[in-house]
Parts: sequence; structure tokens; C-alpha cells
Amino acid sequence: SQQGEEDPQALSIQEGENATMNCSYKTSINNLQWYRQNSGRGLVHLILIRSNEREKHSGRLRVTLDTSKKSSSLLITASRAADTASYFCATDEVISDYKLSFGAGTTVTVRA
Amino acid sequence: EAGVAQSPRYKIIEKRQSVAFWCNPISGHATLYWYQQILGQGPKLLIQFQNNGVVDDSQLPKDRFSAERLKGVDSTLKIQPAKLEDSAVYLCASSPGGGWYEQYFGPGTRLTVT
Repeated sequence: SQQGEEDPQALSIQEGENATMNCSYKTSINNLQWYRQNSGRGLVHLILIRSNEREKHSGRLRVTLDTSKKSSSLLITASRAADTASYFCATDEVISDYKLSFGAGTTVTVRA
Repeated sequence: EAGVAQSPRYKIIEKRQSVAFWCNPISGHATLYWYQQILGQGPKLLIQFQNNGVVDDSQLPKDRFSAERLKGVDSTLKIQPAKLEDSAVYLCASSPGGGWYEQYFGPGTRLTVT
């Protein structure tokens, strides 16, 4: 069963705008990871945030984690056409012996 | 650094036939994963190896799927016999350790069962 659920399922924005997507999960986690998947480069790791961290940045990416609400958000600032992809959150549940459970993903389309 | 290699990239078979996929992880990575990704869904873990031992295979349909990791390096995933619902992309990933580490994914094998 899938632990994480991304919201929205799909997002269309203009180049230069920001894109925000959310991930909710059900059980306590060790860490949460975000991945990007496009046809050109397959599935690529973006960022990992541990359960004791609240915010993390990597380039134009900002991830927040709220363990009390069991939710995370991924913000992409100043989007580019190359950001067009599906974005997945993956959770490492405390009870799961360090295996990742992926959500169904958010499909982001950046219009030129 | 070479990435995760998978072959073949595409495979079309008829139902009830068998098929095998091969994966070569990043050198030195102890953990190897096989995922199934059905169109429109996120990857679902089928089996996780730590070196050449199985850590988790709870979601592997063992009546038709099998996997092995010889000498803790390369791995093969086999389906026998295939069903229509096995049509999916099969992804191999590796990491230096378990869930504390990011995973590096191969390009995947797109399987179509007709």
C-alpha cells in the first residue's frame, strides 16, 4: 500500500512562476525524500529531509516537513521548462525496516 | 561514476511466457531494489537485497516472480508465467545502505504483456 499521497495530482504553471506540491503520509517516518521523473532522465533523487528537520533547501528547491501534521511540501521557485516532470514523495516508515514507499506523484507542466 | 545499468530497455511478450530483467548497480552499493511502476502510479517495491541477502520481499508475487543477486553485485528479476497485469516499467535502484540514503535508479525496463 502507498504511504504518501501527493496533492495536487497535476499542476500547470507559466515559466518563472513557483510550483508547490504537498505530500501527506500516515505513519511515523525516519525521513522523507522527493524524487523527480521525466522521460529523459528517469527517476532522480532531489532532496532528503530527516524527521528531526523542518526545512531544507537545495538550489531552487525548498522542502518543509511537519511531523505533527504528517505532511511535507516541495516548492520549486522560478520554474523552467526543464522542471516539467512528475514529482514523487517517498517515505521511510519507522516500522518498515528502512524501505521507501512512494506516492502516486504530482505531474508538473511548465509552459513557456 | 557509472550509473545503474538495466537491460533490456523494452520487452514485449505474450501472456504465459517468461521474461528476465538484468540490473548492474553502482559499484560498492550494498543495497539493491527492484520496483514495479504501473502507468500513472508511483514505484512499488518488489524486493530489497542487502549484499546478497533478501531484506524485504513482502510485495513480490512469489508464485510467478523470482529474483536473485549473485555475489552481492548483479541481480536478475524473472517473471514466469507473465500476466497482462504485469505490464509495467521495472526499475532497479541501488544505494550505499538502507532507507537513510538516497536511491539511484536505472532507466528501467518497459514490459508489455499482450
